Amino acid sequence: EPEVTQTPSHQVTQMGQEVILRCVPISNHLYFYWYRQILGQKVEFLVSFYNNEISEKSEIFDDQFSVERPDGSNFTLKIRSTKLEDSAMYFCASSEGQGAASTDTQYFGPGTRLTVL
Amino acid sequence: AQKITQTQPGMFVQEKEAVTLDCTYDTSDPSYGLFWYKQPSSGEMIFLIYQGSYDQQNATEGRYSLNFQKARKSANLVISASQLGDSAMYFCASPHKGGADGLTFGKGTHLIIQP
Repeated sequence: EPEVTQTPSHQVTQMGQEVILRCVPISNHLYFYWYRQILGQKVEFLVSFYNNEISEKSEIFDDQFSVERPDGSNFTLKIRSTKLEDSAMYFCASSEGQGAASTDTQYFGPGTRLTVL
Repeated sequence: AQKITQTQPGMFVQEKEAVTLDCTYDTSDPSYGLFWYKQPSSGEMIFLIYQGSYDQQNATEGRYSLNFQKARKSANLVISASQLGDSAMYFCASPHKGGADGLTFGKGTHLIIQP
């Protein structure tokens, strides 16, 4: 069964460094998402991406963040100048984007645990 | 939905019993979807079940079913014949603008199945 994959599973970085989190969405899906989950808290939406551009972003997704689809398979989240409070689990998700949008199931990857020291 | 509320931070249930996890939502959209995800201790987010606002019947998927009460804006997850492997965090979620946009999640319910 197709699944969303993410690398690395765990990333440790120093405050102020840049990190790139990578995701490979399900191959026939058209919408891609990034979420984060600070330890012990609920999952928060960061950004959605469709047709090679940002579809929607939350207030969390400020200039520190950027997303890119550098090729036909990868979807990346870049965090510039990481801060301690960026420590969280980052989930990538994808959905088919077919039919009624409100029924579009998002399938999540296993997550990347980012630790900023 | 603009807001998802899960009022049960934690639940303990005996194995083989049925369990109901509560979810209420607040939305002004005429068309919306409601999703339930399971997050075991390993951390991944597993899609369980979906309910559409215009669906005539409550969704079912194996041991999972949704008790969808549109007038009350509730979409409770029912797990029948609970198993030890059901122990996990459970999140209710909905697209916050009704479309293929970001999901709004509830705070989750930590379900522990006891032998």
